[in-house]
Amino acid sequence: DAKTTQPTSMDCAEGRAANLPCNHSTISGNEYVYWYRQIHSQGPQYIIHGLKNNETNEMASLIITEDRKSSTLILPHATLRDTAVYYCIVRAAGGGADGLTFGKGTHLIIQP
Amino acid sequence: DTAVSQTPKYLVTQMGNDKSIKCEQNLGHDTMYWYKQDSKKFLKIMFSYNNKELIINETVPNRFSPKSPDKAHLNLHINSLELGDSAVYFCASSQAVGGANEQFFGPGTRLTVL
Repeated sequence: DAKTTQPTSMDCAEGRAANLPCNHSTISGNEYVYWYRQIHSQGPQYIIHGLKNNETNEMASLIITEDRKSSTLILPHATLRDTAVYYCIVRAAGGGADGLTFGKGTHLIIQP
Repeated sequence: DTAVSQTPKYLVTQMGNDKSIKCEQNLGHDTMYWYKQDSKKFLKIMFSYNNKELIINETVPNRFSPKSPDKAHLNLHINSLELGDSAVYFCASSQAVGGANEQFFGPGTRLTVL
């Protein structure tokens, strides 16, 4: 699976949009981009995933650049409960047998 | 209803003991996993099972033995516990091996070996 690079930490004001970047310049054509987050003392939680097109669900939006070498997770109206470590993971379509490879992630802190 | 549950939530034990952690999922998923999160917060895959069969074992010592009595359960038994086994252990499940299938994680079991 391709390696990802994320900032170590970010701050965002409550109520504003939180934009979390991820670089995955070695991504292969069949690899998806996944985002998970881990709130303190809880298990990781799936947020969203995408292959080429931008995706949106009730939690977030995922913007993938045309060359697929980077992506941005957007939390449109961040709340204090969104404070967590956010993990960007790239994973082959048939790579389920290997589990998820978590990096260090981005510690997002939502400020009141 | 809890999708992926683990018991116990906390486990404190002495070195050399044998202990088990239980995991159950009620999502009807085919694949279950065990992950370990150490004190530095790195989260690593240990095992995965698909339809009760072991798929991956990521160089985990053979003191760790997963057991899957049925598709909904994947228990982790640890023999001769060592100090380095202290960590948070997470169980997870997904619909099937491969594909764009998200994993659902349990709340974790914090194991402390004294």
